[in-house]
Amino acid sequence: LAKTTQPISMDSYEGQEVNITCSHNNIATNDYITWYQQFPSQGPRFIIQGYKTKVTNEVASLFIPADRKSSTLSLPRVSLSDTAVYYCLVGFYNTDKLIFGTGTRLQVFP
Amino acid sequence: DAGVIQSPRHEVTEMGQEVTLRCKPISGHDYLFWYRQTMMRGLELLIYFNNNVPIDDSGMPEDRFSAKMPNASFSTLKIQPSEPRDSAVYFCASSSQAGTDTQYFGPGTRLTVL
Repeated sequence: LAKTTQPISMDSYEGQEVNITCSHNNIATNDYITWYQQFPSQGPRFIIQGYKTKVTNEVASLFIPADRKSSTLSLPRVSLSDTAVYYCLVGFYNTDKLIFGTGTRLQVFP
Repeated sequence: DAGVIQSPRHEVTEMGQEVTLRCKPISGHDYLFWYRQTMMRGLELLIYFNNNVPIDDSGMPEDRFSAKMPNASFSTLKIQPSEPRDSAVYFCASSSQAGTDTQYFGPGTRLTVL
């Protein structure tokens, strides 16, 4: 079963683009990648989901390369309110397994 | 919709006592998930249900933990007997699909076992 790892922490400044990578080996074509955001004392909140190439919504983009060994969450022009912990989740279509990544603590400075 | 509802929000108990955590999923969601979050181990999936049937319980740490879903609108996670290492925040989440749909998380129950 794939192991899902992320950088422990990242720092950024307001207005910058932030890219957070999740490494996940051995995922299949139909396996989904989902990213969640978590603030202190709250449950995780959905950001974006995809299973190949690129997905974009109003808050983020998700890039999944052809080898599918990693995925990257891209947050354009972060603000102070984006300071949070970000988790990737791999959903394994054929086995019904779900594995959260280790989480990345993003700190945005003014 | 009120979202996923969990109770209690905080629970403090003594080692050896039975603890029951409760969850009401979003109406119409077929999947319900129980997670545990600690600083050391991060977010761990304990068990999830589809249409009230457990699908994957491989994350349940040991026999002291049990989960039930007697109907589509209610689930419990029970720890008996509780131990200090069970102290964590326990989240319940629900979704329409397992891996391919957004999970909506509840506010969590902060459990402290003394």
